[in-house]
Amino acid sequence: DTAVSQTPKYLVTQMGNDKSIKCEQNLGHDTMYWYKQDSKKFLKIMFSYNNKELIINETVPNRFSPKSPDKAHLNLHINSLELGDSAVYFCASSPGTYTGELFFGEGSRLTVL
Amino acid sequence: AQSVSQHNHHVILSEAASLELGCNYSYGGTVNLFWYVQYPGQHLQLLLKYFSGDPLVKGIKGFEAEFIKSKFSFNLRKPSVQWSDTAEYFCAVRGGGGADGLTFGKGTHLIIQP
Repeated sequence: DTAVSQTPKYLVTQMGNDKSIKCEQNLGHDTMYWYKQDSKKFLKIMFSYNNKELIINETVPNRFSPKSPDKAHLNLHINSLELGDSAVYFCASSPGTYTGELFFGEGSRLTVL
Repeated sequence: AQSVSQHNHHVILSEAASLELGCNYSYGGTVNLFWYVQYPGQHLQLLLKYFSGDPLVKGIKGFEAEFIKSKFSFNLRKPSVQWSDTAEYFCAVRGGGGADGLTFGKGTHLIIQP
């Protein structure tokens, strides 16, 4: 059973389109995150949610909108995709805020043409 | 804001060589420290972590790391590397500034030659 699962794993789309990436965790964790890994492998946090409430919203364009319908799910919706959005997006979860390690999903590779 | 520095961006070693990857962080308060590994095409997996107690921590696959508070360092070591250790290694810190989540270093790409 995959602990943190993301769909889709690969996404190729045109500039200007809108796309979503879904994430689910079955670890019973309270906190979930989205990270972006660029072409140089640098990982940067985008959002953090605790029990469906937004905790962190780093400097991310407002074209990116996370949604957490319940504490086991954190989806990422991206409007008006740009070339620079091409990256691997990782979902992660942890037992709670400020505690424990993060468990990562397998990543979703987004390519914007 | 805290930051994490990994000094070596690319490291190439032969099998059976010893490994040490450097990691320094900037925050002076209580921190949690981590090393993650990312094998080609895969997600990040936890190698080891330090929260408190013995500053020498042992992780999976024969890796260990030593927390030296006075040097703000958390270097990763392995006495004898294998070809299968080829991967990207990330040091990360949690703590400071009231922000949750982990701050990652830029990663070290390790290549082990058979």
